[in-house]
Amino acid sequence: KNQVEQSPQSLIILEGKNCTLQCNYTVSPFSNLRWYKQDTGRGPVSLTIMTFSENTKSNGRYTATLDADTKQSSLHITASQLSDSASYICVVSRNSGYALNFGKGTSLLVTP
Amino acid sequence: NAGVTQTPKFQVLKTGQSMTLQCAQDMNHNSMYWYRQDPGMGLRLIYYSASEGTTDKGEVPNGYNVSRLNKREFSLRLESAAPSQTSVYFCASSEFNRANYGYTFGSGTRLTVV
Repeated sequence: KNQVEQSPQSLIILEGKNCTLQCNYTVSPFSNLRWYKQDTGRGPVSLTIMTFSENTKSNGRYTATLDADTKQSSLHITASQLSDSASYICVVSRNSGYALNFGKGTSLLVTP
Repeated sequence: NAGVTQTPKFQVLKTGQSMTLQCAQDMNHNSMYWYRQDPGMGLRLIYYSASEGTTDKGEVPNGYNVSRLNKREFSLRLESAAPSQTSVYFCASSEFNRANYGYTFGSGTRLTVV
């Protein structure tokens, strides 16, 4: 079964600190992996997208890594800001068709 | 830039009532999608339209119908709403119906069925 598991389910950090979110998947055959940020009451917004051959991609203070051999990805947030408070969703695509497999998300709260 | 626009943003229905959720995109994308998001679950695909004139079922199509009115607009209809359809509904679009294309999501419609 094509699954995407994210950890932790929720996380609270102090403003200015770094954090790392994890994503493990069993989706096969693999096409690409995306990280989305979803603010409360809003739709998901794309942060990064990585294909099989890419193992790191950055978008400002967000850095995603991918290990296609172990089927793991992480999203590292540097120098967190209050505006980083959101749900972060890992999405994995199969190398056939259109279907996206969504994780349940990690809820991040950044406190002053 | 509007992107993907969904209306309404909030709706309360009584069981058995019908309604249509509207979605429009201004990016000239070919493919459009309807997802639902429930607490503790990932987004699930209800229906999609790979291109104007075509629609197909996704993972959870029961109780819904869709219409691709033109290239810009893709509506989702609930013919007889049930409490199990209480959810947040997201419309999305992509340039093409391929897994390696980026998706743009609307802001969502929060639907409560009582």
